[in-house]
Amino acid sequence: ETGVTQSPTHLIKTRGQQVTLRCSSQSGHNTVSWYQQALGQGPQFIFQYYREEENGRGNFPPRFSGLQFPNYSSELNVNALELDDSALYLCASSSGGVNNEQFFGPGTRLTVL
Amino acid sequence: KNQVEQSPQSLIILEGKNCTLQCNYTVSPFSNLRWYKQDTGRGPVSLTIMTFSENTKSNGRYTATLDADTKQSSLHITASQLSDSASYICVVSADTDKLIFGTGTRLQVFP
Repeated sequence: ETGVTQSPTHLIKTRGQQVTLRCSSQSGHNTVSWYQQALGQGPQFIFQYYREEENGRGNFPPRFSGLQFPNYSSELNVNALELDDSALYLCASSSGGVNNEQFFGPGTRLTVL
Repeated sequence: KNQVEQSPQSLIILEGKNCTLQCNYTVSPFSNLRWYKQDTGRGPVSLTIMTFSENTKSNGRYTATLDADTKQSSLHITASQLSDSASYICVVSADTDKLIFGTGTRLQVFP
């Protein structure tokens, strides 16, 4: 176990709806990164939060947004869901820095119908 | 374009045998290279992390090598076990801690 938790574990939504996914980082970590992993693919970087500020973003549209709280837990919000948003959403926490290890949570499986 | 390519896409071996997985990358500038093990539907778990100056690192039965000149890495698994069945993902970091993932090699170990 990495100490990183995510909720919910599974979620089913319909097109056009909005979803919020949650991540609790490992104790002592101030950085949370979010990834989208489609079936059979490697994870794709969505964005990263460091000390409550967005610290880099991948190639995802603005309807993917996030938030980090003072306790360093984080949320990923997706508006106007599309079928292609169906994926495993992973969060990873770290203490920041280029060579620091990122610890992944178990993921949230989102299905959009 | 920063890319990480892995081969083979999938691999089947018998329990007790050794295997080697390959990773080529074009990420620049290079900071570090990591190998992760991912069970189906679960988050990746780190096996090794190597910086530019390291050319080999072991973690139990897993040994990773890195050739920064040719931008290649390999992961060698010794005396495979049924529990080694998983996807193995090569991940490269540029000058930040944002990770670029390969698509993985799916390993199946049969008794």
